[in-house]
Amino acid sequence: AQSVAQPEDQVNVAEGNPLTVKCTYSVSGNPYLFWYVQYPNRGLQFLLKYITGDNLVKGSYGFEAEFNKSQTSFHLKKPSALVSDSALYFCAAQEGTGFQKLVFGTGTRLLVSP
Amino acid sequence: NAGVTQTPKFQVLKTGQSMTLQCAQDMNHEYMSWYRQDPGMGLRLIHYSVGAGITDQGEVPNGYNVSRSTTEDFPLRLLSAAPSQTSVYFCASSYFPVPSGGYTFGSGTRLTVV
Repeated sequence: AQSVAQPEDQVNVAEGNPLTVKCTYSVSGNPYLFWYVQYPNRGLQFLLKYITGDNLVKGSYGFEAEFNKSQTSFHLKKPSALVSDSALYFCAAQEGTGFQKLVFGTGTRLLVSP
Repeated sequence: NAGVTQTPKFQVLKTGQSMTLQCAQDMNHEYMSWYRQDPGMGLRLIHYSVGAGITDQGEVPNGYNVSRSTTEDFPLRLLSAAPSQTSVYFCASSYFPVPSGGYTFGSGTRLTVV
């Protein structure tokens, strides 16, 4: 069965410092991988995706993610955090063939302090 | 504005009552789905549909029914509400089969069952 793990419930980082939010996945076959962000009392917003190709994927708001097939990881990164990046981040994965049942991780709360 | 519209935003039900959560999208997306979000559990798939007249169960379907009579609408019915169904419900849609732009989420319905 597909699964996604986000090992950190919360990540704390100071504004201006680089940030990493970790994600590992278990998907049979080639995975499609996604990051979403949720601000308070809002729905999830798509940040970026990996389907195929370059292992470093760039997305919205300066975020990027690195796909590592050998480590089955898809960590979210940003070179310089902003206070406004504080939100709940979800990693999601689906099997890359056939059907679109997307499986989500439990979410990681990012807190960026001034 | 193009997107996914969910109604109502908030609802309080008594145990045993029934209700329908509405979801409508105007992007001509074939795929629509319902998730529930609970603290520490991420998003879990309730039901999904790949087109009008086609629905299937997700991870946690018990106590919920869906139908898809049109491409635009995908209502979620709670047959007899239970306190365990207290949650935030999200509707999401995308093109099928490959979600090139990721999923588009509605803003959610916060349901409390007392």
